Amino acid sequence: DVKVTQSSRYLVKRTGEKVFLECVQDMDHENMFWYRQDPGLGLRLIYFSYDVKMKEKGDIPEGYSVSREKKERFSLILESASTNQTSMYLCASSLFSEAEGNEQFFGPGTRLTVL
Amino acid sequence: AQSVTQLDSQVPVFEEAPVELRCNYSSSVSVYLFWYVQYPNQGLQLLLKYLSGSTLVESINGFEAEFNKSQTSFHLRKPSVHISDTAEYFCAVSDLWGYQKVTFGTGTKLQVIP
Repeated sequence: DVKVTQSSRYLVKRTGEKVFLECVQDMDHENMFWYRQDPGLGLRLIYFSYDVKMKEKGDIPEGYSVSREKKERFSLILESASTNQTSMYLCASSLFSEAEGNEQFFGPGTRLTVL
Repeated sequence: AQSVTQLDSQVPVFEEAPVELRCNYSSSVSVYLFWYVQYPNQGLQLLLKYLSGSTLVESINGFEAEFNKSQTSFHLRKPSVHISDTAEYFCAVSDLWGYQKVTFGTGTKLQVIP
């Protein structure tokens, strides 16, 4: 089974701190994604990556950056955390094929609180 | 650009009653369609998907969804719900050509009442 792991389930940080959220997948998937999930807003795409060192902005990239130095690892960086970045962050990976489409496999999420 | 609308944010239903969770999408090209489920304190997991072929797709736990191209809908149904179906359900769409990106709806919380 595909496994996507995230470095922390819960994280509390202070305003202005630099925050790193790590995601690792073990199935050699090409594509990796970072979403934030907020009540009533569903999942919103922050950034995605379709290859090592490649990244694309999603729908809400402001205030975030990403890094993908290895195929299995995709990091989300909050350069200077703010209270409006308090949210649940979900990482996902996928491998496109005509037979399977682009089903995404999700990690358990990191609930980040910025004080 | 593609978008997904889930018309109901919450759906309460009694145990063993039928349920339908509605999903409409918009896209200018052919699409893949998905339903994901999120149980409390967990990440999302795939429930079922439509890629091509038969417009009726089923999951292993009794849910089904029908792709209706003319109405651009992909509603999720179950004839008899169980307490364990209590979760949040997300509809999602992906263009066949923009295959990396998936657009999610805002989710529907299904609350099964004993």
